[in-house]
Amino acid sequence: KAGVTQTPRYLIKTRGQQVTLSCSPISGHRSVSWYQQTPGQGLQFLFEYFSETQRNKGNFPGRFSGRQFSNSRSEMNVSTLELGDSALYLCASRPGLADYNEQFFGPGTRLTVL
Amino acid sequence: QKEVEQNSGPLSVPEGAIASLNCTYSDRGSQSFFWYRQYSGKSPELIMFIYSNGDKEDGRFTAQLNKASQYVSLLIRDSQPSDSATYLCAGLMDNQGGKLIFGQGTELSVKP
Repeated sequence: KAGVTQTPRYLIKTRGQQVTLSCSPISGHRSVSWYQQTPGQGLQFLFEYFSETQRNKGNFPGRFSGRQFSNSRSEMNVSTLELGDSALYLCASRPGLADYNEQFFGPGTRLTVL
Repeated sequence: QKEVEQNSGPLSVPEGAIASLNCTYSDRGSQSFFWYRQYSGKSPELIMFIYSNGDKEDGRFTAQLNKASQYVSLLIRDSQPSDSATYLCAGLMDNQGGKLIFGQGTELSVKP
């Protein structure tokens, strides 16, 4: 079974631009979560989607948004990029919403904001 | 206080030894805990999860959960140089859906 895939793998943008990242979950997985990883803050939760609905949101400004499609694929958008948005953005999928459902991470998208 | 805390490391052990990684959490409503391994430049890879008090073993790995003391640990027996990585402890908080709260990670170095 193929793992979680993310595109693009690397991205360079300038301040003020916007960016869209894509995530395809493991086949059959309906929940997709997004995380930001930086050296200073570690791994921080952005949001989770299930059945096209956002279930939970982390402590990030409204510039960070996402959506999920009927095939469970998800996109994340960041508008008006700031230097501090440079990070590894990770997507994780899990089969459903049970507490014991493990989350499997994709390879990540490395975003650099200049 | 951070919701999930890990001993800062780096932790260095000789090959063949037992590596012990610890994690404490502050939210008594935490339900499940996950250990991830992350190699430099790679994404986190799930090693184990545990949600019941006690021990859970999988090969060379044993996860331990003590809800009364609010700590989780991961033991790696017969440590190998290939185990050298950052180990992340994550808790799934009650009523917060799939929101994993991660510790800062402990860097493990296994010396040949």
